Amino acid sequence: AQSVSQHNHHVILSEAASLELGCNYSYGGTVNLFWYVQYPGQHLQLLLKYFSGDPLVKGIKGFEAEFIKSKFSFNLRKPSVQWSDTAEYFCAVNPLNTGNQFYFGTGTSLTVIP
Amino acid sequence: NAGVTQTPKFQVLKTGQSMTLQCAQDMNHEYMSWYRQDPGMGLRLIHYSVGAGITDQGEVPNGYNVSRSTTEDFPLRLLSAAPSQTSVYFCASSYEGVNYGYTFGSGTRLTVV
Repeated sequence: AQSVSQHNHHVILSEAASLELGCNYSYGGTVNLFWYVQYPGQHLQLLLKYFSGDPLVKGIKGFEAEFIKSKFSFNLRKPSVQWSDTAEYFCAVNPLNTGNQFYFGTGTSLTVIP
Repeated sequence: NAGVTQTPKFQVLKTGQSMTLQCAQDMNHEYMSWYRQDPGMGLRLIHYSVGAGITDQGEVPNGYNVSRSTTEDFPLRLLSAAPSQTSVYFCASSYEGVNYGYTFGSGTRLTVV
């Protein structure tokens, strides 16, 4: 079955540590890729997105993600996390041949310890 | 600019009751969707709409109805609430397709007892 996988369910880091959250998808063909963040008690906010071109995309708050087509991956990275990055992170895939369909991973909960 | 507004924020229903979750956006977005968020399952698409008068089913449509009589509004109706519908519901909208990413509402936390 087609899916979006986020293998890290819960990550705990100390401030200033580097972050990498994995996202793999199984959809064939062309896809648009997104990372969303959900801070405690809030709604989802777009962190960054990839449509085409440079596979390394930069988002808000120092986050970046790299699209590796051969690995069907779109991992999220940040060189140095802050306590305020504590949140849940969702990877999402929009396969272009599905039109409006938008598939989310199960999310990764990040806790940053001061 | 209010963005996507969902009401109510919290709701408790008894099994078998019906209710409507409201969603309105003021960004003239064509695309609107309803998702439910459950622990360990991420967000799952319930219904979506590509414009006024046009709706379609997502992954988990059973037990829910939608309509899109205007561009601004996209209400979600629970026909006969069941405990399995206890969840957090998010409405989202997008301009000219999902390429721009969705703007999400603040969510409705629904408990069915």
